[in-house]
Amino acid sequence: EADIYQTPRYLVIGTGKKITLECSQTMGHDKMYWYQQDPGMELHLIHYSYGVNSTEKGDLSSESTVSRIRTEHFPLTLESARPSHTSQYLCASSEFFRDTEAFFGQGTRLTVV
Amino acid sequence: GESVGLHLPTLSVQEGDNSIINCAYSNSASDYFIWYKQESGKGPQFIIDIRSNMDKRQGQRVTVLLNKTVKHLSLQIAATQPGDSAVYFCAETLDNYGQNFVFGPGTRLSVLP
Repeated sequence: EADIYQTPRYLVIGTGKKITLECSQTMGHDKMYWYQQDPGMELHLIHYSYGVNSTEKGDLSSESTVSRIRTEHFPLTLESARPSHTSQYLCASSEFFRDTEAFFGQGTRLTVV
Repeated sequence: GESVGLHLPTLSVQEGDNSIINCAYSNSASDYFIWYKQESGKGPQFIIDIRSNMDKRQGQRVTVLLNKTVKHLSLQIAATQPGDSAVYFCAETLDNYGQNFVFGPGTRLSVLP
C-alpha cells in the first residue's frame, strides 16, 4: 500500500466557497503532483512540485493554487468553487530520479452545487 | 502539445485468456513509457515501464512491447483474472527524472467469468 493520503474522499460544496484539498505522503518523496480526472477520462496534470518551496503549473489550466511548505504536504486550494470545478482530484508523489513510478492517493471527488 | 492515445476504449476478455491493451503515442522524443492500472474508486497504480532503448520488458504476468517504428505500445496480461478488471492508462515522458508524463485516455478492461 502506498503511503499517500488525501482528505476528504468526497466533498459537496456550494458555489463561491473556498476549499482546500489535503494531500500528505510519508515516503519522503521530493516530487508531488495534482491531477484532475473526470469519470472514465484521462488524467490531466494541474500542479506539481519538485520539493519544498517549489510549485509549478501543469498542462491543464486550473484556477486552483498549491503550496509546498513541507516535504510531506501538498495542499490544493480553490478560492471560489464553481460547478465547472466538479471533478475528481488525485494527488501523487514520486522519487525525483525514479518518477515514472508515481504513487497515487485515492482521490477527492468534488461536487460543486 | 504531444499526446498519448489508446486505440480502444473498452476491452472484454474471458477469465484465463490473455489480454492485449494497445496505445499509440506521438512524441518520438519520449524516452520512457509507463502503464498504470486504475481500479474503481482508487488512484492509478504503477504496473510497469519501459525505456525507449528496449522493445520488450516483462513483469509478473505482464509484458510491455514497444514498437518505435510505428509509435505503438502494448500491455499484455497473461491468464487474465477478475482482479485485472480496471482502466489501464499508458503514459509517456521525456526522461526518468524531472519531466512530467502525459497520460492517454485509458482502456477499460472487463474480465468475463
